[in-house]
Amino acid sequence: QSALTQPPSVSGSLGQSVTISCTGTSSDVGYHNRASWYQQPPGTAPKLMIYEVRNRPSGVPDRFSGSQSGNTASLTISGLQAEDEADYYCSSFTTTGLYVFGTGTKVTVL
Amino acid sequence: QVQLVQSEAEVKKPGASVKVSCKGSENTFSGYYMHWVRQAPGQGLEYMGWIYPDSGGTKYVQKFQGRVTVTRDTSITTVYMELSSLRSDDTALYYCVREGKIGLAYWGAFDIWGQGTMVTVSS
Repeated sequence: QSALTQPPSVSGSLGQSVTISCTGTSSDVGYHNRASWYQQPPGTAPKLMIYEVRNRPSGVPDRFSGSQSGNTASLTISGLQAEDEADYYCSSFTTTGLYVFGTGTKVTVL
Repeated sequence: QVQLVQSEAEVKKPGASVKVSCKGSENTFSGYYMHWVRQAPGQGLEYMGWIYPDSGGTKYVQKFQGRVTVTRDTSITTVYMELSSLRSDDTALYYCVREGKIGLAYWGAFDIWGQGTMVTVSS
């Protein structure tokens, strides 16, 4: 199973919006609407931000939103804040009954 | 609050095996899938496989087949991940994670993460 494809980095100014893409295939992202997103600040364990494409766990700000079109899932961070600076990973359930992660994207707040 | 507490860091020689434990608070595992994810220094997340503690059923990524074994001890709410024939590129932080669910609807996402166990493979 190949890793899902994410841009290595995205950046935006305080208050702006950024979108991270996550491209897979019909065997993973395009299968079963099980894309999820994780935030990982330096030196910490990842934190779940979005599950099932667009659902937010309790406590995650509504500035974080998810969407999907075909085999590409996307995470949008609106009203960018300094504390949003981190690495972000997508993940998806696959037809093998296992999971795969994306290559990761570093978000920089200018 | 649900927590997953993993065993301490390990240093192993190439060819050896390592067994990492992950202990949950009471009822942490019942009805949940538990997964293992690793992260090499400065690299991304890599998925390894899962166990369903209630039955002991497991499934592993093909890359790790034959080298990884995930088990559980339900009496002490602990899962274990053993990796054999260690190589230098197995040096990584190993996380146990729980798959979230509401009722019988699994999220296909990992809501609880252990603190990670660093495994260093070096001669």
